[in-house]
Amino acid sequence: QSVLTQPPSVSGAPGQSITISCTGDRSNIGAGNDVHWYQQLPGTAPKLVIYRNINRPSGVPDRFSGSQAGISASLAITGLRPEDEADYYCQSYDRSLSGVFGGGTKVTVL
Amino acid sequence: QVTLKESGPTLVKPTQSLTLTCTFSGFSLTSSGEGVAWIRQPPGKALEWLTVIYWDGDDRYSPSLRSRLTITKDTAKKQVVLTMTNMDPLDTATYYCAHTVVFWHPQFYMDSWGQGTPVTVSS
Repeated sequence: QSVLTQPPSVSGAPGQSITISCTGDRSNIGAGNDVHWYQQLPGTAPKLVIYRNINRPSGVPDRFSGSQAGISASLAITGLRPEDEADYYCQSYDRSLSGVFGGGTKVTVL
Repeated sequence: QVTLKESGPTLVKPTQSLTLTCTFSGFSLTSSGEGVAWIRQPPGKALEWLTVIYWDGDDRYSPSLRSRLTITKDTAKKQVVLTMTNMDPLDTATYYCAHTVVFWHPQFYMDSWGQGTPVTVSS
């Protein structure tokens, strides 16, 4: 069981918007530690899509956005495209556990 | 351009030790704010963070695996080495190394990843 909790799956039609949640506790997100998001396409290494809660690396479309409040963070994808179909993972830092990941969310484009 | 590549055995026997090498380029691992982490992913399962070594030699380990893991760096060779002892079939996974940005020590994120190397533990 992962320290950070994500929904196992989220789906949406092309063009729609979806949101993936990531819930922690006072040892990690709630302690003010930043959250980062990774996209993993099938058979490939993860790729950073959001860092420090809200920032997009160069080359990541502005359809991807992040937010954080309290013990939770969220990744939103607007204008969903077939190429967004992937697994998404949140990551933060925990006082006791150091680096921690969420359990991952499979995004399906219907 | 930052690149990382993992290398090591693809098959190890139970109880043996595993040694994986991450060879990197495009950064030095001597500059403040740099690090290299190891992450693994069992087949069909989620990512699991294992360990990180920072530019200053400081390190962190997953508490559940701490007793079995050692991370070291050789900045002259541009390599980071992960050693895991007492391997078990449950350690079968793809192992990734990643460049980490340490923005507020010890917090970090991983902005460049290697392709990963599969490791199977079986007799």
